Amino acid sequence: GQSLEQPSEVTAVEGAIVQINCTYQTSGFYGLSWYQQHDGGAPTFLSYNALDGLEETGRFSSFLSRSDSYGYLLLQELQMKDSASYFCAVEGSARQLTFGSGTQLTVLP
Amino acid sequence: DTAVSQTPKYLVTQMGNDKSIKCEQNLGHDTMYWYKQDSKKFLKIMFSYNNKELIINETVPNRFSPKSPDKAHLNLHINSLELGDSAVYFCASSPRDSRTYEQYFGPGTRLTVT
Repeated sequence: GQSLEQPSEVTAVEGAIVQINCTYQTSGFYGLSWYQQHDGGAPTFLSYNALDGLEETGRFSSFLSRSDSYGYLLLQELQMKDSASYFCAVEGSARQLTFGSGTQLTVLP
Repeated sequence: DTAVSQTPKYLVTQMGNDKSIKCEQNLGHDTMYWYKQDSKKFLKIMFSYNNKELIINETVPNRFSPKSPDKAHLNLHINSLELGDSAVYFCASSPRDSRTYEQYFGPGTRLTVT
């Protein structure tokens, strides 16, 4: 089976940088995805790492270390609109996504 | 144009009833999914389906059944609804098998069982 751990809540101020960590245990692994979900909205795809290293997409970056079963999402130049829940998700051997429990990010003015 | 759409957006019903939620995607994707998100925002895969196979999460009760009339539609039928079925149900789709990590979600259907 698969299990993922991520912090339940993170708070930061506008303009700051925040890192959301994710550790996972899985019986099969293709990659780690990150999704954003605003209250009342649908999850939206942010990024994906299949190989070790950093992937950058604008203000958001995602990192993966396969040997440590660890990844993180880095959000720079935080904006109020970044307040949302962020989910890491493992793509396992069945080519399905198993999601973490989500991290609620609150951005303060 | 909406990429993944679901109807209805809200569904309130009584225990024991049978209900369906419809999902359509116009992205030309091969694989579609149903997820359940509970009140603690835990998002759990229920089914994945493409024209080759149906994968059912082993924890899903057999009261839940997906029906796919064609590649663009995956409907969810729920029989004998229970209080614990109250949740938000999301339909999603993804491109070809090698990109199942990039999923596009519908707006969700909030099901309330009374």
